[in-house]
Amino acid sequence: EIVLTQSPGTLSLSPGERATLSCRASQSVSDSYVAWYQQKPGQAPRLLMYASATRATGFPDRFSGSGSGTDFTLTISRVEPEDFAVYYCQHSGSSPRTFGQGTKLEIK
Amino acid sequence: QVRLVQSGPEVKKPGDSMKVSCKSSVYTFDVYYIHWVRQAPGRGLEWMGWINPHNGATRYAQKFQGRVTMTMDTSISTVYMQVSSLSSDDTAVFYCARTDDDLDPFDVWGQGTVVTVSS
Repeated sequence: EIVLTQSPGTLSLSPGERATLSCRASQSVSDSYVAWYQQKPGQAPRLLMYASATRATGFPDRFSGSGSGTDFTLTISRVEPEDFAVYYCQHSGSSPRTFGQGTKLEIK
Repeated sequence: QVRLVQSGPEVKKPGDSMKVSCKSSVYTFDVYYIHWVRQAPGRGLEWMGWINPHNGATRYAQKFQGRVTMTMDTSISTVYMQVSSLSSDDTAVFYCARTDDDLDPFDVWGQGTVVTVSS
């Protein structure tokens, strides 16, 4: 089973700041099968990024993804108030699919 | 727009079984895989398995093997997940989610079903 470790656990930022969220895999994964999800309180997760760097419908270009091998990154260039949420990375290239434990982006 | 609509909250006792449903709003129900994901209170997301409504094939995470059964009724575009031998560890929100095939990301999610297991 591939273990995904996200860091930091909590990221405290002010609106307008840059957010960098990390996801590290216990073994190399194809970037074609790495996704990121955004989850707000009381809501289902929402697909944010897939194939490591392709934004899903409805997300603005301040969100970007990158990475390969074991290290993947989600970047929000300038955090907006609506971006404060929990972000999960996930791989789907082998079974079982696994998620990282999440990074909570909170208002500073 | 595709929607997945799940059944309502449930309260169960330890040792009970639960069965939650996930109904697709679109006619082409059987072209997508439906997965189930568990989220315990204040915890992260845990993939449980999938069912392919096209042929009824299933794949379960090893952790849930033997305790989870995913079935479908294509006539009403609905997938079911039954979990047996419930314990307090199963207190969680259960989501269904769709993928185009086995390896794709979850692009549509249900609203979640809250299951509480308590004596």
